[in-house]
Amino acid sequence: AQSVTQLGSHVSVSEGALVLLRCNYSSSVPPYLFWYVQYPNQGLQLLLKYTTGATLVKGINGFEAEFKKSETSFHLTKPSAHMSDAAEYFCAVSEGYSTLTFGKGTMLLVSP
Amino acid sequence: DTAVSQTPKYLVTQMGNDKSIKCEQNLGHDTMYWYKQDSKKFLKIMFSYNNKELIINETVPNRFSPKSPDKAHLNLHINSLELGDSAVYFCASSQEGRTNTGELFFGEGSRLTVL
Repeated sequence: AQSVTQLGSHVSVSEGALVLLRCNYSSSVPPYLFWYVQYPNQGLQLLLKYTTGATLVKGINGFEAEFKKSETSFHLTKPSAHMSDAAEYFCAVSEGYSTLTFGKGTMLLVSP
Repeated sequence: DTAVSQTPKYLVTQMGNDKSIKCEQNLGHDTMYWYKQDSKKFLKIMFSYNNKELIINETVPNRFSPKSPDKAHLNLHINSLELGDSAVYFCASSQEGRTNTGELFFGEGSRLTVL
């Protein structure tokens, strides 16, 4: 069965600092991996996804994530945080024909 | 045009009442879902419909009844509302098929508050 673990329910960074949100997954088959972002009082928006091919995936708003099979990880990074990045971030895994399984989310806090 | 739209966005009601939330998607997707997000932001799938047929029904009280009149609509009816039903309910859709990756498209959510 697939599962997702997001380390840290809250991550705080200063504006301009590196953002690193951690995600580890468990899957019995090659997974499809996703990061979604949820801004306050809004729905979930897809940031980026890994399906096949290049393991470094670029998404919207300058975010990227790298699929590392050996580490079963899909960490999300951004070189320089902006105040507008403050939101809840969800990592999710799918085995293709299965429903997405979400992690518990990480709240990113950005201070001036 | 909003791809996945839900109504109402906010719903405040008394315990014991019955309420419905409606969802429509204009993406031409075959599968629609209801997710519940609790106060700790945890997302839990409730139901999934594929072409009007129920395919996932997680452990949800039978006070919750989904209805899909066609593949573009999935409504959620809740009977005898309880305090613990207070949450944000998200509708989502996805496209099945050989290229399915599981990617979901979400509505903006319906915040239900039971007093």
